[in-house]
Amino acid sequence: QQQVKQSPQSLIVQKGGIPIINCAYENTAFDYFPWYQQFPGKGPALLIAIRPDVSEKKEGRFTISFNKSAKQFSLHIMDSQPGDSATYFCAASSPQTGGGADGLTFGKGTHLIIQP
Amino acid sequence: NAGVTQTPKFRILKIGQSMTLQCTQDMNHNYMYWYRQDPGMGLKLIYYSVGAGITDKGEVPNGYNVSRSTTEDFPLRLELAAPSQTSVYFCASTPRLNTEAFFGQGTRLTVV
Repeated sequence: QQQVKQSPQSLIVQKGGIPIINCAYENTAFDYFPWYQQFPGKGPALLIAIRPDVSEKKEGRFTISFNKSAKQFSLHIMDSQPGDSATYFCAASSPQTGGGADGLTFGKGTHLIIQP
Repeated sequence: NAGVTQTPKFRILKIGQSMTLQCTQDMNHNYMYWYRQDPGMGLKLIYYSVGAGITDKGEVPNGYNVSRSTTEDFPLRLELAAPSQTSVYFCASTPRLNTEAFFGQGTRLTVV
């Protein structure tokens, strides 16, 4: 069964701190690893994504670190702000089609609170 | 652009009733998906479609049906609603495989 394991379930960080959320996957066919941000009452929105040909990607204050050999990837939020308080989901997908392989396999989510 | 639009936003159903959750996208995306989100469980794929006339089951298809008669619309049908179908349902679309998925605002469904 395809799985993406995400930790921690919840995280509280002071403003300006660097929350780190980790994910691990099993399926070596996965080759697209996005992070989604979700605010209450809203749908998930893409935050940043990485493919396995690079080990790190930065977009503004958000960084993905990717370790292909360990089958792990993580999200770092630099200079975190109260407005970053949300639920974050890691996900993965593969280019295989059919058999339910289409679509994203999601982690269970991390509820992040940034305290002022 | 509206993106992905879902209706209704909220609905309460009685056990055994049926309903259709509507999803439409205006981005001309071939790929569309239905997910359900349960507290602490992430999102799980119910059904997906790779184009008009083509649908397939995801991880949790039991109790649901879909159709895709046009590129824009991908309705999800619940027959004989059960309490286990209480969830938040999200529709999403992508222009091609393995790229950014665009999500609707969700439909919160309660079955009592």
